[in-house]
Amino acid sequence: GAGVSQSPSNKVTEKGKDVELRCDPISGHTALYWYRQSLGQGLEFLIYFQGNSAPDKSGLPSDRFSAERTGGSVSTLTIQRTQQEDSAVYLCASSTGLFIQETQYFGPGTRLLVL
Amino acid sequence: AQSVTQLDSHVSVSEGTPVLLRCNYSSSYSPSLFWYVQHPNKGLQLLLKYTSAATLVKGINGFEAEFKKSETSFHLTKPSAHMSDAAEYFCVVSGAYNQGGKLIFGQGTELSVKP
Repeated sequence: GAGVSQSPSNKVTEKGKDVELRCDPISGHTALYWYRQSLGQGLEFLIYFQGNSAPDKSGLPSDRFSAERTGGSVSTLTIQRTQQEDSAVYLCASSTGLFIQETQYFGPGTRLLVL
Repeated sequence: AQSVTQLDSHVSVSEGTPVLLRCNYSSSYSPSLFWYVQHPNKGLQLLLKYTSAATLVKGINGFEAEFKKSETSFHLTKPSAHMSDAAEYFCVVSGAYNQGGKLIFGQGTELSVKP
């Protein structure tokens, strides 16, 4: 079946512009996660959703970052007024539930470059 | 707090020789532990996971890992390396039970395989 998909695969933007990154989870997966992979910070957790609710937003690096999920499916990560330090690969993952034993399935990522 | 330390940033082996990637974890409770692999320009793929069942866990492509609570270790091994094993490997620990299943990644170990 189809895995997690993300779009765009690559995004180049100018400093100060807003960007939207999209994630389509595996059908039926109720839990959705966003991570960021950068050279300086490695792989770090940003936010998770259970259904359309995001109980914990503490991983978001600043208030320029926001995320939403609609219909219990697609999620959008928005970065406002992008900065060069936002350049990274943004990864989305989904799983059948929030239990710590659950396997998270990752998408291919969106590579963001802020000039 | 949960954390994971990968003891080697880079490991180089010859094809056909054993592979050992070392990982130590810290957790205030019985964790779930994972190994993920990332091939160049590809997404993260689950190799194997430990979820408090058997301490010796077998994964895909001949990899296995042993959970040792007394040593707080979860080292990844493979008896005989193949050229296709060259990739970045991440040791991962689950967050706390009330953290929605978020994953905490090690810094990664780059595995090189020489012919």
